[in-house]
Amino acid sequence: KQEVTQIPAALSVPEGENLVLNCSFTDSAIYNLQWFRQDPGKGLTSLLLIQSSQREQTSGRLNASLDKSSGRSTLYIAASQPGDSATYLCAVSAGNMLTFGGGTRLMVKP
Amino acid sequence: DTAVSQTPKYLVTQMGNDKSIKCEQNLGHDTMYWYKQDSKKFLKIMFSYNNKELIINETVPNRFSPKSPDKAHLNLHINSLELGDSAVYFCASSQMGTTEAFFGQGTRLTVV
Repeated sequence: KQEVTQIPAALSVPEGENLVLNCSFTDSAIYNLQWFRQDPGKGLTSLLLIQSSQREQTSGRLNASLDKSSGRSTLYIAASQPGDSATYLCAVSAGNMLTFGGGTRLMVKP
Repeated sequence: DTAVSQTPKYLVTQMGNDKSIKCEQNLGHDTMYWYKQDSKKFLKIMFSYNNKELIINETVPNRFSPKSPDKAHLNLHINSLELGDSAVYFCASSQMGTTEAFFGQGTRLTVV
């Protein structure tokens, strides 16, 4: 059974810092990995999708990498801003379902 | 135009009642899902439907009955609501489970 773990569970940084969020999964037989953002009381916003054949994806200040063989993904956020404060979730797809990690709660202080 | 829409956004009801949550997607996807987010914010799959057929039921009590009248709709009916059913329920869709998944805004269910 797929298990997804995110480290750290919470992170507080001053504005402007570059930061890395980690995601690990136990079963490498995946179709893709997706990073989401969730603001308090809101739904999930898709940030980046990495297909299993890809190594990384970039969108603006965000860069996500995937190492399927080791079961790891990282989300790199450059020059963090207070507006980046949210919970970041990674999820792996085995085709029929997405399995989510517990999330990393990020606080960026002005 | 909203890709995945759920109604209602908030639902407060008494124990023992029966309620439904509706979900519609206009993305042309063939796979739809229901997820439950508990008080600890952990998201867990409940059901997965592909082309109106149930393909995953993750040990959800049979008080929960999903219904998919067509590929674009997946509704969730809950009978005899219990306090423990209080959570946020998310609907989502993707194409064959292999493409980017899109989520609705969630339905916050409170059972009192």
